[in-house]
Parts: sequence; C-alpha cells; structure tokens
Amino acid sequence: GDSVTQMEGPVTLSEEAFLTINCTYTATGYPSLFWYVQYPGEGLQLLLKATKADDKGSNKGFEATYRKETTSFHLEKGSVQVSDSAVYFCALYKAAGNKLTFGGGTRVLVKP
Amino acid sequence: DTAVSQTPKYLVTQMGNDKSIKCEQNLGHDTMYWYKQDSKKFLKIMFSYNNKELIINETVPNRFSPKSPDKAHLNLHINSLELGDSAVYFCASSQDSHRNSPLHFGNGTRLTVT
Repeated sequence: GDSVTQMEGPVTLSEEAFLTINCTYTATGYPSLFWYVQYPGEGLQLLLKATKADDKGSNKGFEATYRKETTSFHLEKGSVQVSDSAVYFCALYKAAGNKLTFGGGTRVLVKP
Repeated sequence: DTAVSQTPKYLVTQMGNDKSIKCEQNLGHDTMYWYKQDSKKFLKIMFSYNNKELIINETVPNRFSPKSPDKAHLNLHINSLELGDSAVYFCASSQDSHRNSPLHFGNGTRLTVT
C-alpha cells in the first residue's frame, strides 16, 4: 500500500539556520504531495503542496519539490525562526479512496 | 468564526465509560474526517463521511461509531473506553476531492482514559 517516510526528529536548530526535512513516499501512479504543519496545541495546517512531478510548492519561506525519480518531497527553509518550532507532516493523496496518507511527523525545535 | 470546531478540548474519563466528541465545520465542505494521533504524533485516519454517507472506515474497533446528522457535523461516539484509546482525536473537513483542496483540521480533543 501507499506509505510516507519522514526523518525522525526531533530536529534542533538555532535561529537563522538552514532546515531540511526528508520525505520519501511509496505509491503507484501519480499522487499529490503535501506538507502540513502542527503548532503546539493546534490542528494541522496545510503548509504547501505539489500536484505533479517537478512542481515546487512554497509558502512562508518553505519550499519542497516533487521529485518522481527519487520519490521524494523534501522540505527546506533557508533561515528558520523560533516561530517555526512545530511538528511537520509529509503526506500523499491519491484519488482512489480520497484520503491522505501521512508520514510519522518530524518535530522541529528552533532555539534563539 | 472557527472553521472546524470540536468539543470538548480535553476529556478525562475512566475505562468502561461511553463518551462522545462533537465536530462542526462552517466551510461548506462536503467531506468530514476523524483522525487519531497517538503519543508519538503518528496520525491515522479513522473515518470519512461525504454528504452524510460513510466512505472510509479504516480498521477501527466497533466501539467507535461516527454519526453525521448533516454534512456540517460529524460526531464520534466511543463505547466501553479502553486505556489504548487515549490519544488526540482530530476532526477535519475538505471539499469533495482534496487533490487541490486541503484538509482543514480542528484543534483536537485530547482523550485520557484512566
């Protein structure tokens, strides 16, 4: 079945450091890919998405590129802030079943 | 004007009890979901309803029963609660197909079974 694998956290960084969170997926066909972010005490919010190969999703300084050849959708941000401390979830969607499959989440902690 | 609201925020109860969690969305979405997030933050879909009809029912014990009185509401009733039911339960909604329409999540209900 479909699956999403993310790097395990926690990832601890200093402010203004570069952030990368790896995400790879296993799926047949052409899924859409998403990154969601969960701030403490809140539900998940969509951060960015890409619906086809080579698409780049971007939002709030975060970027991720849909790489079909490596089945990856790594999340990057050039300069993190304390407010970026959260749990980040990679997810894939396929029309069959109309559901998202989430990775296990990666906790990011940014220290001042 | 919260988009997806669920109540209660916290629920502490004893084993064997029956409890309900309510969810409402004011986004006009057709599809609503229940997700369970365990202590390691792993998120797993439980149910999905589209226009009040059940369309996804993952491997969830029969003690869990969703109820959708209308497409803006999806409640979750849990019978005979067990310790392993302790988790954060998230309600979410989306348009009919969320290839291009993201999930909108509520803030979660933290259930603790003692």
